[in-house]
Amino acid sequence: QKEVEQNSGPLSVPEGAIASLNCTYSDRGSQSFFWYRQYSGKSPELIMFIYSNGDKEDGRFTAQLNKASQYVSLLIRDSQPSDSATYLCAVRGSSASKIIFGSGTRLSIRP
Amino acid sequence: GAVVSQHPSRVICKSGTSVKIECRSLDFQATTMFWYRQFPKKSLMLMATSNEGSKATYEQGVEKDKFLINHASLTLSTLTVTSAHPEDSSFYICSARDSSTELFFGEGSRLTVL
Repeated sequence: QKEVEQNSGPLSVPEGAIASLNCTYSDRGSQSFFWYRQYSGKSPELIMFIYSNGDKEDGRFTAQLNKASQYVSLLIRDSQPSDSATYLCAVRGSSASKIIFGSGTRLSIRP
Repeated sequence: GAVVSQHPSRVICKSGTSVKIECRSLDFQATTMFWYRQFPKKSLMLMATSNEGSKATYEQGVEKDKFLINHASLTLSTLTVTSAHPEDSSFYICSARDSSTELFFGEGSRLTVL
């Protein structure tokens, strides 16, 4: 079992709709969860992080964490073509030092 | 957010030569930096954790004699790919953590070995 799993996509969403990205993790002791966006040929950039169960909202982005289900998601409201990118879920496990990345979900927003 | 600078952004070298990539934290001190490798359309693979003033911790399967990491100061870590071969061609990305738990990435270095 992979430590951090994501559906590779591509996920195609019409402009203006809500894009929902999902991620599961295997280390039940994980404490910190991150969503990064990566454009082709570029380095990842941090979008959001979440530590506690529940929802965390920042602008058009909402991160949701359910530690019991070992599940974290990212919702993007009012999707824009510029949101088209690969979204990486990352988890800092119970060892507290390294962060493990999922394989990423490729999101495509169609006009 | 914190700024991490990586240099060079692109490098092309001949097979058998060594290449050094620098990673600097510009506005914070980073006791720990991380080196990742990414193949096309794949996720980031952690290669090693670089600790200031001590030896790097390498992930399983990563050759420490091939990928030399030096973390000489609180703002600089270097990755040297020794005796590079075409299969070492990849996107190498460093990252660093400031006083928070957030991880900030450098711009990445695309290595092409001919």
